[in-house]
Amino acid sequence: NAGVTQTPKFQVLKTGQSMTLQCAQDMNHEYMSWYRQDPGMGLRLIHYSVGAGITDQGEVPNGYNVSRSTTEDFPLRLLSAAPSQTSVYFCASSYLRGREQYFGPGTRLTVT
Amino acid sequence: GNSVTQMEGPVTLSEEAFLTINCTYTATGYPSLFWYVQYPGEGLQLLLKATKADDKGSNKGFEATYRKETTSFHLEKGSVQVSDSAVYFCALSDQANAGKSTFGDGTTLTVKP
Repeated sequence: NAGVTQTPKFQVLKTGQSMTLQCAQDMNHEYMSWYRQDPGMGLRLIHYSVGAGITDQGEVPNGYNVSRSTTEDFPLRLLSAAPSQTSVYFCASSYLRGREQYFGPGTRLTVT
Repeated sequence: GNSVTQMEGPVTLSEEAFLTINCTYTATGYPSLFWYVQYPGEGLQLLLKATKADDKGSNKGFEATYRKETTSFHLEKGSVQVSDSAVYFCALSDQANAGKSTFGDGTTLTVKP
């Protein structure tokens, strides 16, 4: 099993550009989520999904979109990048909501 | 809402020293509690968990006990090694809150030989 994979590992964007961060898992997990990690602020939930076709907002959803067309994939879209979105982004999955989560290796995003 | 408060870091210890990282929580329901560890340049990985009051989670010499009366889940290890240097996150997930997880800010541990 590859577990949770994320691409790209690093990305630099200019203000106003859009991009999609990819996340996939091969564990048949129902629950998937996106977090951002900023220094001294722990992890903050952006969006989450409890199954294919079902998504909901987390703590900091503004400026991000998600969709979940399959169990395996949960991409995160930045609509118009801003410097405030410079962060490390982690995707995670779990067998059921409320259970322990499995994290991807992260995407380090810089917006200039 | 739910919250997790961790002992502020960074924490620096000598090899074989005793480790305690404090964690307290606030939750509306009956949460599950977790400790995750993050090594440099990597994602978080589960270290241990406890799903109900008085449960003790343990793994790789680390332990934590779910104390409902003090709303705490302190992480301990009797003898740390250089390889334990990492960032440690306390977290909870609450079925009453759609199973969403809340994380502490993380505590950086450095162990010196």
